Amino acid sequence: QVQLVQSGAEAKKPGASVKVSCKATGNTFTGDYMHWVRQAPGQGLEWMGWINPNSGGTKYAQKFQGRVTMTRDTSISTVYMELSRLRSDDTAFYYCARSTVSPLFWFDPWGQGTLVNVSS
Amino acid sequence: DIQMTQSPSTLSASVGDRVTITCRASQSIYSWLAWYQQKPGKAPKLLMYKASSLESGVPSRFSGSGSGTEFTLTISSLQPDDFATYYCQQYNGYPITFGLGTRLEIK
Repeated sequence: QVQLVQSGAEAKKPGASVKVSCKATGNTFTGDYMHWVRQAPGQGLEWMGWINPNSGGTKYAQKFQGRVTMTRDTSISTVYMELSRLRSDDTAFYYCARSTVSPLFWFDPWGQGTLVNVSS
Repeated sequence: DIQMTQSPSTLSASVGDRVTITCRASQSIYSWLAWYQQKPGKAPKLLMYKASSLESGVPSRFSGSGSGTEFTLTISSLQPDDFATYYCQQYNGYPITFGLGTRLEIK
């Protein structure tokens, strides 16, 4: 049974960058795609993009193009999401979630979420 | 982008009630729809996929239906654990999009 464990909460200033990690336990990345979804406090879910941990291939939502970078370290079964040029409206919980077989698939499981708070 | 419109945004119901949540897509997504349940402070949890397939371990009181542009999630007899927020998600095309959620609260 795959579990996704994310890094802890971050406090950042506007203009800075943040890098959030997501470690998969209980299985390998074979055949998986790892997505990032964010949720501003009290708001809905927003898909940011995915990374194929095996190939390193990525696809980003147009909204985040140029600001987001997704990478992986297969030796420790971990993927990363880095968001740059942070603004106050980037304050949100950031979740990693897995899809199997195809990147256009349902998400299961999800990580526990990482709160990124952007404030001056 | 494919817009996902959920209704109602808030639903008040009692334990034992049958409730239905609707999700409409701005264009056909065939059956490429998932439903998630989210409780405060927790990550979303997958309930249904391919519009009507029940995820393993999810109680059978949950059911999904629909295809094309109109979908429903039904809970046949509400239990105390079901009071949460529910989201639909389309995965027919990019960007993957979610509905704004339906908050199910105790009447």
